[in-house]
Amino acid sequence: QQPVQSPQAVILREGEDAVINCSSSKALYSVHWYRQKHGEAPVFLMILLKGGEQKGHDKISASFNEKKQQSSLYLTASQLSYSGTYFCGTESRGSSASKIIFGSGTRLSIRP
Amino acid sequence: NAGVTQTPKFRVLKTGQSMTLLCAQDMNHEYMYWYRQDPGMGLRLIHYSVGEGTTAKGEVPDGYNVSRLKKQNFLLGLESAAPSQTSVYFCASKHPGQSSYEQYFGPGTRLTVT
Repeated sequence: QQPVQSPQAVILREGEDAVINCSSSKALYSVHWYRQKHGEAPVFLMILLKGGEQKGHDKISASFNEKKQQSSLYLTASQLSYSGTYFCGTESRGSSASKIIFGSGTRLSIRP
Repeated sequence: NAGVTQTPKFRVLKTGQSMTLLCAQDMNHEYMYWYRQDPGMGLRLIHYSVGEGTTAKGEVPDGYNVSRLKKQNFLLGLESAAPSQTSVYFCASKHPGQSSYEQYFGPGTRLTVT
């Protein structure tokens, strides 16, 4: 079952912050975040493993709440280059062989 | 390293025709995946493989078959194409190790079935 992402779309002005949420009905082992530019392949951002860890990459960070089966992606002081569609991918406990199921995506548009 | 490559990049089929999409990776990854991407649906897993000679079904396997005869290649076949299979198809590969490594995606194949 696909994880649920919210919001479906968000429009920001350059410099503003955004939060993208990802939730699952299944117990999760890990959450993956990817960004996809129009017409291109998805590009890896980060992986979060169970244990409630939080990771950061430049001004993009994420958290993973294993108990709530939720993850959030935080984009701080957004730049034009952050535009694209963000996908979370989840690995469920008990699933075989690193089967990653992706959400339907959140489209982020940044305006100058 | 070329990473993950997909052949062809574009294809137009008529309903009922068959075709094979080729995915190749040169990173010696054990795991390989086929996804389809439709507007508003995100990436949906069709089939995947955990190693040479093994395949397994994903979320939306109906109408597709796969083969992994060589470790570096993962083929996706459509035996009798339908308009509902119009989509962008992405292949990905991954190093084994539970949850520790990212998936590397190919550039995609845009398939139109008329």
